[in-house]
Amino acid sequence: SQTIHQWPATLVQPVGSPLSLECTVEGTSNPNLYWYRQAAGRGLQLLFYSVGIGQISSEVPQNLSASRPQDRQFILSSKKLLLSDSGFYLCACTGEIYNSPLHFGNGTRLTVT
Amino acid sequence: KNQVEQSPQSLIILEGKNCTLQCNYTVSPFSNLRWYKQDTGRGPVSLTIMTFSENTKSNGRYTATLDADTKQSSLHITASQLSDSASYICVVSDEEYGNKLVFGAGTILRVKS
Repeated sequence: SQTIHQWPATLVQPVGSPLSLECTVEGTSNPNLYWYRQAAGRGLQLLFYSVGIGQISSEVPQNLSASRPQDRQFILSSKKLLLSDSGFYLCACTGEIYNSPLHFGNGTRLTVT
Repeated sequence: KNQVEQSPQSLIILEGKNCTLQCNYTVSPFSNLRWYKQDTGRGPVSLTIMTFSENTKSNGRYTATLDADTKQSSLHITASQLSDSASYICVVSDEEYGNKLVFGAGTILRVKS
């Protein structure tokens, strides 16, 4: 089964600073990878998904970007953080079986001050 | 607009009691419906997944039901335990491979001793 590693677990960054969150996946090859953001009292919001190396689809326009330099590595970045970027960021992947559930990492709590 | 509404927003029950969480959706066309459990500060973990033709599915003390005609689902928890305290998220998919999942905001369950 898949294991997703996300780091760091918590992060406090000032407005205007850059961001890099990393996610790596074990136990599967060629996974679909996702970045979600979860705001308090709201459903998870899909930010980016990738079906392969170098292939990134963006769901919402914002100052965040994503990259997939390797098959099982997914990176979420920003050049300049905004206060509104604060939230709980979750990396997820789906397995190779049709209709397999999303597997989530344990998330990164980002606070922009 | 595709939406998933969950009720109640939060719930407190005594240990050993049963409870039922509700999920109504407007997602169309419908592919599958999933229930996830999310412990505080952790990523969601899949409990059940049901396709259009399935009416009920169990996972231990968790039983999910689906009425695709009325677009309603419920998650029933039997003989609750303190470890059941978590957020329960209903997720509906209208496409294969989870690229277009619609998340509910979740129901926060607290089990008291």
